[in-house]
Amino acid sequence: GQQVMQIPQYQHVQEGEDFTTYCNSSTTLSNIQWYKQRPGGHPVFLIQLVKSGEVKKQKRLTFQFGEAKKNSSLHITATQTTDVGTYFCAGLSLNDYKLSFGAGTTVTVRA
Amino acid sequence: NAGVTQTPKFRVLKTGQSMTLLCAQDMNHEYMYWYRQDPGMGLRLIHYSVGEGTTAKGEVPDGYNVSRLKKQNFLLGLESAAPSQTSVYFCASSYSVTSGGGNEQFFGPGTRLTVL
Repeated sequence: GQQVMQIPQYQHVQEGEDFTTYCNSSTTLSNIQWYKQRPGGHPVFLIQLVKSGEVKKQKRLTFQFGEAKKNSSLHITATQTTDVGTYFCAGLSLNDYKLSFGAGTTVTVRA
Repeated sequence: NAGVTQTPKFRVLKTGQSMTLLCAQDMNHEYMYWYRQDPGMGLRLIHYSVGEGTTAKGEVPDGYNVSRLKKQNFLLGLESAAPSQTSVYFCASSYSVTSGGGNEQFFGPGTRLTVL
């Protein structure tokens, strides 16, 4: 079945620094979605990428979908304490339209 | 709109006990899902429903049953709880599942279940 791998599992960042989390699928995806879960909270949808090579920005967050539609990345610039949480990528399968979630990258920020 | 709601928020069971987790959504979504979240394993799909009266198995269905008698409700049942079912359970819903718009999932606040 489809597997979505996400790295790193943990990211400890100094406030103001940049970081990137990566997502890789074993199969070609229909689209990829990103969610954020604050500590003690529930996942909240951030964005969806559909087209090969697509890049989208939300303020300090930049999301990218690979040319082969098998990988994606989330880059956060000038990290703030409000960025704390776990970021999940989720790949939508071409065949059965099921979302497969990566294990998530848990981000902590040092002030 | 309340979005997706779940009851209860917390529950402690003894091994062998049964319980039902309730999920309700007021967005008129066709698709509903039950996930469990365990440390380091992300969200794993237990069961899902593509419409009222339908259910299907997800990635980790063993030990769980579900029902979708009404479009707005999706129930998850544990007939005989085991310690391995200690987890956080999330319900989610979506308008569609195709690659176009509307397939993002809206999650409930979760139920933290401990089985002793």
